[in-house]
Amino acid sequence: EVQLVQSGAEVKKPGESLKISCQASGYYFSTNWIDWVRQVPGKGLEWMGIIYPGDSDTRYSPSFQGQVTISADKSINTAYLQWSSLKASDTAMYYCVRGGYGNDAQGGFDIWGQGTMVTVSS
Amino acid sequence: QAVLTQSASLSASPGASASLTCTLRSGINVASYRIYWYQQKPGSPPQYLLRYKSDSDKQQGSGVPSRFSGSKDASANAGILLISGIQSEDEADYYCMIWHSRASAVFGGGTKLTVL
Repeated sequence: EVQLVQSGAEVKKPGESLKISCQASGYYFSTNWIDWVRQVPGKGLEWMGIIYPGDSDTRYSPSFQGQVTISADKSINTAYLQWSSLKASDTAMYYCVRGGYGNDAQGGFDIWGQGTMVTVSS
Repeated sequence: QAVLTQSASLSASPGASASLTCTLRSGINVASYRIYWYQQKPGSPPQYLLRYKSDSDKQQGSGVPSRFSGSKDASANAGILLISGIQSEDEADYYCMIWHSRASAVFGGGTKLTVL
């Protein structure tokens, strides 16, 4: 079964750092792009950025550039999303998704992780 | 003006059909884009429904019933998700998406479908 399994919910204080993970199974991790999508409670979906695990080619939405870092470790089929200094406005559900294949980064998101809820509160 | 605009809500009766629209901002030609559609039920991650650019460039998500289909209205510069034979289980939020400039994905604001 093709699936993306994300790390558990996090509760952090403003200014703290955080790295959440997304482990893939059931397919060849290196050849599909992994995207990250944010959903603030009660709101819509926002695309954050994308990584190609095969060579770690990474691109960000202008809205999230400089705010987060996306990385991947293909040896353990895992992608990451990290913050160096969290803000209350980062409180949201974060989804990793399987995206395009090979050279086509601009694919549909056919597999979604279960989501990681990040709560930032003093 | 948002890149993609969706109606906030829509109601439909069981067995009826519903058209959910996704209007592209003026200056962005719907003919040039693949429109992706996702369904999200409360407490669950979104699920991929389908992709539509043209009748020769379309894709149904794995396991997605054929009563979900895509089309375009060029005169309205919009993508359309048509749901036929609506069932109670179709009550959900529906999001459209395109890959826009600077190779960024953009989502519409979502339409909440209520099955009365």
